[in-house]
Amino acid sequence: DAKTTQPTSMDCAEGRAANLPCNHSTISGNEYVYWYRQIHSQGPQYIIHGLKNNETNEMASLIITEDRKSSTLILPHATLRDTAVYYCIVRVLGTSYGKLTFGQGTILTVHP
Amino acid sequence: GAGVSQSPSNKVTEKGKDVELRCDPISGHTALYWYRQSLGQGLEFLIYFQGNSAPDKSGLPSDRFSAERTGGSVSTLTIQRTQQEDSAVYLCASSSGTGVTGELFFGEGSRLTVL
Repeated sequence: DAKTTQPTSMDCAEGRAANLPCNHSTISGNEYVYWYRQIHSQGPQYIIHGLKNNETNEMASLIITEDRKSSTLILPHATLRDTAVYYCIVRVLGTSYGKLTFGQGTILTVHP
Repeated sequence: GAGVSQSPSNKVTEKGKDVELRCDPISGHTALYWYRQSLGQGLEFLIYFQGNSAPDKSGLPSDRFSAERTGGSVSTLTIQRTQQEDSAVYLCASSSGTGVTGELFFGEGSRLTVL
């Protein structure tokens, strides 16, 4: 799986949009971009994934650049409960998904 | 059950003892993963089971660690002769072997403390 680079930490004011960047310049054509988050003392939680088109669900939006070398996870109206470590991962989808390798992630702190 | 269930949630043991950690995946999920997370660290992959295929054991840190998955469902992670550096939260996840999302569903983890 391709390596990803994320900022170590970010801050965001409650109610504002949180934009979390991820660099994956060595991504292959068949690798998807996944985002997970881990709230303190809990197991990681899936947020969203995409291949090349922008994606949106009830939790977040995922914007992938045209060359697919970077992406941004957007939490449109951050709340204090969104304070967590956010992991950006790239991996191949297929009949056997294989292991998911987590990096260090971005610590997002949402403040009042 | 509705989610991935792990037991025990907390385990305190003495150095040198063996421990067993259990994971009950989501019913019907064919893929099962074990990770561990030391204090303040990221998730470290340990082992991956997919259906009847041979497991990917590439993340097991030593031969004191082993895991099995009986009947394609429940999995047990065994750590023999525990050491203090084994202290961590051990996380289990399961995933459907088919479908397009590849989403992993994690349990709440088993916190192991080796004294």
